[in-house]
Amino acid sequence: QKEVEQNSGPLSVPEGAIASLNCTYSDRGSQSFFWYRQYSGKSPELIMSIYSNGDKEDGRFTAQLNKASQYVSLLIRDSQPSDSATYLCAVNEANSGYALNFGKGTSLLVTP
Amino acid sequence: DVKVTQSSRYLVKRTGEKVFLECVQDMDHENMFWYRQDPGLGLRLIYFSYDVKMKEKGDIPEGYSVSREKKERFSLILESASTNQTSMYLCASSRGFEQYFGPGTRLTVT
Repeated sequence: QKEVEQNSGPLSVPEGAIASLNCTYSDRGSQSFFWYRQYSGKSPELIMSIYSNGDKEDGRFTAQLNKASQYVSLLIRDSQPSDSATYLCAVNEANSGYALNFGKGTSLLVTP
Repeated sequence: DVKVTQSSRYLVKRTGEKVFLECVQDMDHENMFWYRQDPGLGLRLIYFSYDVKMKEKGDIPEGYSVSREKKERFSLILESASTNQTSMYLCASSRGFEQYFGPGTRLTVT
């Protein structure tokens, strides 16, 4: 199985700052990329999907994809304490049907 | 909104018992998945299904089986529970690549 790598953190940012979460993947044939948010004790919740190079914005969230460098990132603007959670990167690899390969997640802590 | 439900939030079973975990989705999704999530190991795919009566092994199928008799329902079966199957079990469904998760079942095997 190919790798999806994330820094485990914790990443600590002050309230109102930009949080930057990064993910690298090893399968060059990957075409679909997702960010999930998981609060402690809860299940993952899909917050962003991105399929083409460049930026995709949704509210305070921006996903960035660079297939040549094999990384995908998530920016959270105006971070709030309620954004404190673990963020999972997921990749659909070539020849894997609809299955996703998940990274182990980055823990984000937004401090008031 | 997609709704995925799982039969229990918490479950305690004894070693050797047969355990059934059920997952139901109400969005007519073709694809359904079972994962387990453990600290430090992340989400690992156990089994998945793209159609009724169809099943495919994921990365860690040993000790598990599945059943999909109806499109909306996907069951995970632990034939003989062992302590190393203590974990959080998550079900997900999708029409395409975007997967939506149920609330999870925290299973403890003693």
